[in-house]
Amino acid sequence: KNQVEQSPQSLIILEGKNCTLQCNYTVSPFSNLRWYKQDTGRGPVSLTIMTFSENTKSNGRYTATLDADTKQSSLHITASQLSDSASYICVVSARGAGNMLTFGGGTRLMVKP
Amino acid sequence: NAGVTQTPKFQVLKTGQSMTLQCAQDMNHEYMSWYRQDPGMGLRLIHYSVGAGITDQGEVPNGYNVSRSTTEDFPLRLLSAAPSQTSVYFCASSRAAGSRDYGYTFGSGTRLTVV
Repeated sequence: KNQVEQSPQSLIILEGKNCTLQCNYTVSPFSNLRWYKQDTGRGPVSLTIMTFSENTKSNGRYTATLDADTKQSSLHITASQLSDSASYICVVSARGAGNMLTFGGGTRLMVKP
Repeated sequence: NAGVTQTPKFQVLKTGQSMTLQCAQDMNHEYMSWYRQDPGMGLRLIHYSVGAGITDQGEVPNGYNVSRSTTEDFPLRLLSAAPSQTSVYFCASSRAAGSRDYGYTFGSGTRLTVV
């Protein structure tokens, strides 16, 4: 069964600090991996999407990495801001499965002043 | 603004009632889908559609029906609401897989409570 596991489940950091969120997956055959940010009461919003051949992708202060061999991804947030407080969801899709996605449970990040 | 529009934002139903959650997109996306999000769990796919007139079941389809008569609209029907269907429902759309850009766009969600 395709699965996506994220860690930690929740994280509290001080404003201005960096943090790294982890994602492990067992989706096969792998097609792409996406990171989404979900603010409370809102739908998920895409941050990055990476295919098999991409090791890293940045979007402003967000940098995602992908190791397709170990089936791991990370999302690094630099110089955190209060507005970064949200849930971050790792989503993996399988090749040949159309648009079928497997969602991780998310990491809830709280940035405190 | 272009995007995915869901209505209503909040709904309370009594057990056994039926209702339809509306979803509309104006981006001419081929693919539309419905997910439910429960506390501590990832989004789970209920039903999806790869184009007008075509629908299929996802991971948790029981108790829900969908139809896709137009490219823009993808309503989700609860046939006989049960407390287990209390959840937040998200509609999403994207271009077809294999398109140059098939990032997903999510609606803002419908929070449903069944009492």
